[in-house]
Parts: sequence; structure tokens; C-alpha cells
Amino acid sequence: NAGVMQNPRHLVRRRGQEARLRCSPMKGHSHVYWYRQLPEEGLKFMVYLQKENIIDESGMPKERFSAEFPKEGPSILRIQQVVRGDSAAYFCASSPITSVFNEQFFGPGTRLTVL
Amino acid sequence: GNSVTQMEGPVTLSEEAFLTINCTYTATGYPSLFWYVQYPGEGLQLLLKATKADDKGSNKGFEATYRKETTSFHLEKGSVQVSDSAVYFCALSPPTGNQFYFGTGTSLTVIP
Repeated sequence: NAGVMQNPRHLVRRRGQEARLRCSPMKGHSHVYWYRQLPEEGLKFMVYLQKENIIDESGMPKERFSAEFPKEGPSILRIQQVVRGDSAAYFCASSPITSVFNEQFFGPGTRLTVL
Repeated sequence: GNSVTQMEGPVTLSEEAFLTINCTYTATGYPSLFWYVQYPGEGLQLLLKATKADDKGSNKGFEATYRKETTSFHLEKGSVQVSDSAVYFCALSPPTGNQFYFGTGTSLTVIP
């Protein structure tokens, strides 16, 4: 059973460009979470999605950031008009419908660098 | 609210030394507690977990006990190896809601 897949692993963008990060959850998992890890900091929750629904986006910046988890295909985290402060590692996690003790399984992350 | 406070690093130990990484938390209700490990260039891997007071999680020689009275979940290992060099994150999952709350991470380097 493949783990959580994220791509690309590394992404370089210039200020003002768009960044699109993809996450494929583990097989059988329908819950996806996105976290951001700024340098020298822990992971901070951004958004929680189920198929075709955003359940909790309390950690998402109000502007430029959006997320989706369509019926078919991976979850996408989109950052429009990137700025240097968006440089970070973005981690996706997934959990099954019935998650024992709320365990989340993490992907390898996408490291975004904004020049 | 919910938060995790973790011992700051970096920590450097010699091989076979004893390891303790402190973690304390504040939470509403009775959370589940986790330790994740992040090897260089990789994502987070679950190391161990505990879901109720006095539970002890253990894996690969690492242990942590859920202490409700001190709101702590300290990570210990009796004899570290070079391969244990990584960043360790303490995390909690509250009984309601779906997000995890992470500490800032503790970098461990084990030297031969």
C-alpha cells in the first residue's frame, strides 16, 4: 500500500507566480489535511478536506491560498501571486474514514522556494 | 486552547547515550498524544502514540508515557544510535476537531 504521495518534491517560483502543490492520499483514505512548516518551526495546520468538501480552513491565509479535493484526482493546494514569505515545506496528511485515534499519515512534503 | 511545548534543540549525543526530549501540552479534554520523526529530506513518520492517561507508547526502543497530572509526554531512549539522528516532533490530537497541534521540533544528532 503506497503511502501519501506529494509532488513536486521541490518547487521554485518567482514572486508573483502561482504555485500548485498536489497530494494523493493513501488508498482508502478520504480525509486530507495540509500543513505548512516554516523554517525552524513546527507544522501548522492549514486546511482539512474530504472529497469535494472543505471541512475546516481555519488555518488558511485569507488571501491567495486555496485548496480543493475533487471527486477524482489528487488534492491541490494553490498559492497565487507567491511572495518570499510563502517559502516553506508544505505537508499533506491523510486518514481513513474511520480513523483510529485520529492518526494521520504524512507525505514527504513539497519544499517551495520563492525567489 | 491546544498547544504543545517542546524542548528546544539542537541536541547532540554520543552513541549509546540516554535520550530525553521533553514535551508538555495544554489541551481541552483528553487528547491523543504522538511523537513523529522526520529524517533529512523526508516527511513525518509516526514513531509512537498514546491515547489515554498512563498509556505508554513504544517503538524502536523509544518510549513515552502519557502523564495527565503533569500534562507531559516526554520521549526517552536508553541507548541512541547514529541512525536516530533526525528531528522529533511532539503532537496532540484533541478529542474533537481534526487538526494536529505540533511542537517546534527537536533536532537530534548522534555522533559515533
